[in-house]
Amino acid sequence: NAGVTQTPKFQVLKTGQSMTLQCAQDMNHNSMYWYRQDPGMGLRLIYYSASEGTTDKGEVPNGYNVSRLNKREFSLRLESAAPSQTSVYFCASSLTGDEAFFGQGTRLTVV
Amino acid sequence: QKEVEQNSGPLSVPEGAIASLNCTYSDRVSQSFFWYRQYSGKSPELIMSIYSNGDKEDGRFTAQLNKASQYVSLLIRDSQPSDSATYLCAVNLSGGGADGLTFGKGTHLIIQP
Repeated sequence: NAGVTQTPKFQVLKTGQSMTLQCAQDMNHNSMYWYRQDPGMGLRLIYYSASEGTTDKGEVPNGYNVSRLNKREFSLRLESAAPSQTSVYFCASSLTGDEAFFGQGTRLTVV
Repeated sequence: QKEVEQNSGPLSVPEGAIASLNCTYSDRVSQSFFWYRQYSGKSPELIMSIYSNGDKEDGRFTAQLNKASQYVSLLIRDSQPSDSATYLCAVNLSGGGADGLTFGKGTHLIIQP
């Protein structure tokens, strides 16, 4: 049972480049989330999908877009990367919106 | 603004002692509370969930909830060096909705051998 799988694990981008972070869960969870984690700031919610077919903004959505492709997959896109988006990105999923289970993270550096 | 507050530490505890981690939250409608453990360079791992006032025990871990005081804590008995990590308090501030957990910034716990 893989749980929540994120790709890639590491990425270096140049300012202005775009990329998509992929996330897939095999726990048949309804809700999926993208968080970023920065030193001194904790985990902050970027976007979430409470159920298949819906997406909503979280605390820090600017500069990002998301797609809930199906019940299993939830992707995060950076259209024009900025140094301020250097962070560790975590995808999480939850059956009910309570207990959330995290992927292994993507360490993104924008230079 | 809805918030979850934790002391960032570091909290240093001798091996074998009880480690006590605290968390306060801002919204009285909150119903669901969680503790995550995060080792350096790793992802958060769920270790405890608590939904009702009182204590909940799981092995060496005890979560305590006091909704009237808007306070949740985690006790780790017989602390081991492997317990050294950052502990994140998380709250469903939406009263049971699925719009994401709000996390505290974490308490860095160091268990001294």
